[in-house]
Amino acid sequence: DAMVIQNPRYQVTQFGKPVTLSCSQTLNHNVMYWYQQKSSQAPKLLFHYYDKDFNNEADTPDNFQSRRPNTSFCFLDIRSPGLGDAAMYLCATSNLFLPGRAFFGQGTRLTVV
Amino acid sequence: AQTVTQSQPEMSVQEAETVTLSCTYDTSESDYYLFWYKQPPSRQMILVIRQEAYKQQNATENRFSVNFQKAAKSFSLKISDSQLGDAAMYFCAYRSAKGNQFYFGTGTSLTVIP
Repeated sequence: DAMVIQNPRYQVTQFGKPVTLSCSQTLNHNVMYWYQQKSSQAPKLLFHYYDKDFNNEADTPDNFQSRRPNTSFCFLDIRSPGLGDAAMYLCATSNLFLPGRAFFGQGTRLTVV
Repeated sequence: AQTVTQSQPEMSVQEAETVTLSCTYDTSESDYYLFWYKQPPSRQMILVIRQEAYKQQNATENRFSVNFQKAAKSFSLKISDSQLGDAAMYFCAYRSAKGNQFYFGTGTSLTVIP
């Protein structure tokens, strides 16, 4: 029944070593989001896709990239992770034609060593 | 980006009692959606309740209800008959009717005391 699936749940990467987080959905939603959530802070939107259209938030560092090869999958690439990038990364989806709500995955907790 | 403010970092409530979590937001738009999401420890974020700004009637979902004051840009969540399973971080969120982005407040950590 899982609708938004994030893999892996926990990821450890080395400082400066590229890492990719993945998200898949079974909802056929046209919008997919990536959020960064640090401890005791609000989820911060990094970017989102509306279909194949990529929308970057103005303050998202260039170190963060994303790919959406098809409707079901979306990837978050961190090109050179720093210690400050350690966080929970949340993937979410929504359907523009169903007012409002977003569906979230369980998140990937990234540790940078 | 719109600003969503939750001024209560932590709240506690006795089991079976009622608690109200506060949220204010800043927007120049007239059509938007507001949400309360619940995030239990180490678990995914789930929707608690949703309010469309064009609706004057406050949304209600079982023990959860909101007090939506559009002019004051206030959107509080009331939890009645609190249960141990209500313990979680609660996030208030805003979404424009014209855009796709959701903007979140900093959250309120709710503790339910047996």
